[in-house]
Amino acid sequence: QLQLQESGPGLVKPSETLSLTCSVSGGSISSSTYYWDWIRQPPGKGLEWIGSIYYTGSTYYNPSLKSRVTISVDTSKNQFSLKLSSVTAADTAVYYCARQHFAPFDPWGQGLLVAVSS
Amino acid sequence: SYELTQPPSVSVSPGQTATITCSGDKLGDKYACWYQQKPGQSPVLVIYQDTKRPSGISERFSGSNSENTATLTISGTQAMDEADYHCQAWDSSTAEVVFGGGTKLTVL
Repeated sequence: QLQLQESGPGLVKPSETLSLTCSVSGGSISSSTYYWDWIRQPPGKGLEWIGSIYYTGSTYYNPSLKSRVTISVDTSKNQFSLKLSSVTAADTAVYYCARQHFAPFDPWGQGLLVAVSS
Repeated sequence: SYELTQPPSVSVSPGQTATITCSGDKLGDKYACWYQQKPGQSPVLVIYQDTKRPSGISERFSGSNSENTATLTISGTQAMDEADYHCQAWDSSTAEVVFGGGTKLTVL
C-alpha cells in the first residue's frame, strides 16, 4: 500500500525559505503513471494546490506561487521536495504531499503544520 | 485565473439525500473530483472523473458534472458523513489544479 510522509521544520522565520520533503513508500516514485504534488491548507481554510513534479523532473506550478516555489525529485531516495522562498505569515498552513493521476489526488500524506513566525 | 465556487455549508437530516454543488466556467468540459475531509485528518478521494468511486468508497456517494456545475450527492446520509467536502478540477491543457473553497456538511 502506497504511503507518503511529509517531513521538515514546523516553524520558519519570515523572509526565510520553507523546505519540506515527502518520502514515498510502498511504491516507486519513478512510475510513469503518476505525478507527485504539494498542496496546502491554511488553518480553517480551503485547499490550495502548490505544484506537481514528474519523476523526470518536469514541473507545473500554481501561477500565484510560481515565483517562490521550487519542487524537485530524488528518485534514488524515492522522495520529492518543496522549497517556498520569502515566506510570510500567510504561508502558515498544513502542507500535504499527494500522488496525482490526471487530476485525482490519492493517497495523501498525513500533513505537516508549518508556522511562519519570528 | 480559474475559480470554483462551493456553498460554505449544507445541512441534511439523517437518512436524507445531501447535495453539494461546485460551480465554475465550463466546468463540464473538465474532470471534477471530490474529497471528504474530517477534522484533523487528510482529505480522502470520494469521486474522480466526475462520476467514478474509488475502491472502498460507499455506493451512497455519487457525482455528476454538466455545463457549469459539478454535484456530489450523498444518499441515505449518516452521521459519519459529517465532514468538509472539497471539489477539484484539472485543466488538461495547462496541468493546473484548482480547488473549491470547501463545504461543511452538517448532519442534523
